Amino acid sequence: DIQMTQSPSSLSASVGDRVTITCQASQGISNHLNWYQQKPGKAPKLLIYDAFNLQTGVPSRFSGSGSGTDFTFTISSLQPEDFATYYCQHYDNFPRVTFGPGTKVDFK
Amino acid sequence: QVQLVESGGGVVQPGRSLRLSCAASGFTFRSHGMHWVRQAPGKGLEWVAVIWYDGSNKYYADSVQGRFTISRDNSKNTMSLQMNNLRAEDTAIYYCARDVRAGGMDVWGQGTTVTVSS
Repeated sequence: DIQMTQSPSSLSASVGDRVTITCQASQGISNHLNWYQQKPGKAPKLLIYDAFNLQTGVPSRFSGSGSGTDFTFTISSLQPEDFATYYCQHYDNFPRVTFGPGTKVDFK
Repeated sequence: QVQLVESGGGVVQPGRSLRLSCAASGFTFRSHGMHWVRQAPGKGLEWVAVIWYDGSNKYYADSVQGRFTISRDNSKNTMSLQMNNLRAEDTAIYYCARDVRAGGMDVWGQGTTVTVSS
């Protein structure tokens, strides 16, 4: 099975900061990677699909990049509503999918 | 509007069964694969199962294989998860989600909570 790691597991940041989260796959997954945001008590929300495509309606401050085994998720200027947990998810073994362990972004 | 609503969660003893439902509205349900994803208290997301748009194929996580059964009724715009022989480690919030582009999940329900405890 392909294992996903995310780093950091948590980070503290301030409004306006640039935030970067990485996701690494144990073997190459092409661009078969999505990113989700989850706020406390809420369902996850799809932000980025196929590694770098912005889901409809998602603000442009969110972006993704990478291919193969190494992926990056970036928030260019952190907003108050962005404090949440972020998960990568690969679907290279579709129909089975795997989520990364998550990165919690909280207020510094 | 596009919506998924889960129901059927509750408290159940180990070894017993529970059936979750997911009601879809606002989109052409029969055109989409559907997933169940769960989240144990304080933990991350775990994919549970997926069913093809027409119900022809079903796949499960190893952790639930042989105990859980996913199904759907396209005439009623509903999906179900039959959970048998429940274990304490099945305690979680269970979400249904719409598949998009074969592996993404773009619409989620609010979740239903399952607690397995004696």
